[in-house]
Parts: sequence; structure tokens; C-alpha cells
Amino acid sequence: GAVVSQHPSRVICKSGTSVKIECRSLDFQATTMFWYRQFPKQSLMLMATSNEGSKATYEQGVEKDKFLINHASLTLSTLTVTSAHPEDSSFYICSATHRDRSLREQYFGPGTRLTVT
Amino acid sequence: SQKIEQNSEALNIQEGKTATLTCNYTNYSPAYLQWYRQDPGRGPVFLLLIRENEKEKRKERLKVTFDTTLKQSLFHITASQPADSATYLCALAAGNKLTFGGGTRVLVKP
Repeated sequence: GAVVSQHPSRVICKSGTSVKIECRSLDFQATTMFWYRQFPKQSLMLMATSNEGSKATYEQGVEKDKFLINHASLTLSTLTVTSAHPEDSSFYICSATHRDRSLREQYFGPGTRLTVT
Repeated sequence: SQKIEQNSEALNIQEGKTATLTCNYTNYSPAYLQWYRQDPGRGPVFLLLIRENEKEKRKERLKVTFDTTLKQSLFHITASQPADSATYLCALAAGNKLTFGGGTRVLVKP
């Protein structure tokens, strides 16, 4: 159990457009969902933390108006990259903590590769 | 400032040998430390968690040590197999947030 999916797995969009990425916990209810970004050969950088029904908490340096996070249910969080630019091209990964398990383990999705042309 | 350092050079080892990876940190007092495996183009997969009051943790062929005095964790893969080839990340927890090290790539040669 504790499977997290992301959709789409890959997306190419034109500069100036918006892209929505979905993160779903398939077989459990997630207390909290996290969004990370990973550039090539670098580690994961936390972008924001979201709890169902409340506003996301963004890390320093992450623009909340550019990276819109909606956490509508205990199984779904979405990240919308608004007015995307080539520098937003990256690997976006979500994770979730299981409501009925230790808050310490995070279950990661497979990631979404975003390319902005 | 807080730092988590892992050896950025890839670790090449022969099948059957033990791979040892290092995670050093500064300006942290983590309650626990985690190790994850990440394959190319995939999300990380949780491997092990070790608490600050634990010296060692084992899971199958994996062993983790945690020295809060040295501010270091060692991650061992014993009897390594080509399927163990991946990038291994350590992560420190502050509250429910994780901060990741840069990862060490391991390549096990048959």
C-alpha cells in the first residue's frame, strides 16, 4: 500500500502557458502532501507543504502566485505552474504522508518532467 | 547555515562487495534521519529511518548508523548487486519537512 501517482508523467508546453500537475494518493488518505522540484544532477528542493482544506505553506523563494497549489481532498493535490518559462523546466515530484501511519515516512510519486519551450 | 553533504562522486563497486555511503550535516539537530533510493527519472523510494537515540538500524542487506556527535550517518549495502545501482539520498527531518542531501550515485558492476 501507500502508492502515490502523478499525472502527467511528462509535459511540454510553450512559454507563457499554464500547466497543471496532479498528485493522488491511490490507496490511502494523505495527511499532508509536499511538492518538490529537482533540477538535473541536483537534489530535491521542497517547494511547498499542503494540508487538505487549507492554504499551502511555501518555502522561502518560491512564488506562491506562480506555483498554485490546491489540496481539495485527502487524496488529491494539484500544482499549477502559471505563465511558465523555460527556467521552470524541471522534474516536479510530490509526496504524501499516510494519515494512519508515522508522519515521518513520505511516499513519493513518480514525478512529472516539465519542459517549457 | 544548515548543510547536508553527501559524496557527489559516483561510487563504483564490484558485485558482492559492500558499498558505504556517507551523509554529513551541520547546524541541524534532527530527531531522525532517513535514507531514500532514487532511480533515474523516478521519485525517491523510502528505505530506512533511524532515530537520534538509535545507533544502528538494519533492513535485509541495508545497514544505517547514526552518530549525532559526529553529525554523520553511514549507509551500507552489503553483498551488493547490479540491481542496487541507483542514487541514494539522505534526508533530515525538521518537523514534518524533509531536507535532502545531494545524493550519491552507486554503480554495482557484475
